[in-house]
Amino acid sequence: DIQMTQSPSSLSASVGDRVTITCRASQDISDSLNWYHQRPGKAPKLLIYDASILITGVPSRFSGSGSGTDFTFTISGLQPEDVGTYHCQEYGHLPALTFGGGTKVEIK
Amino acid sequence: QVQLQESGPGLVKPSQTLSLSCTVSGDSINSDAYYWSWIRQPPGKGLEWIGYIYYSGTTFYNPSLESRATLSVDTSKSQFSLKLTSVTAADTAVYYCARWTSSSYRFYFDSWGQGTLVAVSS
Repeated sequence: DIQMTQSPSSLSASVGDRVTITCRASQDISDSLNWYHQRPGKAPKLLIYDASILITGVPSRFSGSGSGTDFTFTISGLQPEDVGTYHCQEYGHLPALTFGGGTKVEIK
Repeated sequence: QVQLQESGPGLVKPSQTLSLSCTVSGDSINSDAYYWSWIRQPPGKGLEWIGYIYYSGTTFYNPSLESRATLSVDTSKSQFSLKLTSVTAADTAVYYCARWTSSSYRFYFDSWGQGTLVAVSS
């Protein structure tokens, strides 16, 4: 089974700050990684697939990079509506799927 | 625009079976581009994939839950369902149904239900 280690588990940043979240896979998953944003009390929403491709309509301040085992998710200028929890999810060895532990983002 | 809606009891007793259904509207459950999935999230914790089912009935499960979980699909009702046996307090979670897109080299959960909280308690 693939394990996904996401860090940090939580962070607090100011509006306009650059925020970076990392996700590490226990095995090579190529670029088979998605990122989701979950607002409090809501279902997750897909932001990025294939590690770096932005879903249509998602603001360009969001970006993703990486391949193999190490991945990065970045918000280039944090906005108040970006609060919530971000989840990485791998699909490198289908049909099994694994989520990371999540990163809670708050405004300082 | 596809919509998914979970339904089922919000309280289950320990050792009993948790049963949930998800109704799909706005798109065909029979599409060959999608798998229909269950995901759960214990309070304050991360997401856990439970399994998914194709409209034909083909299923795949998280190995950690495979012995207790059963997914089924009823295409005539545009519904798919989850049964989880021998539940304990550790199964208390918000349960989401979601659509897994698997086509044209795109693989992701692109639509989710609102989620339903299931508590396991006597």
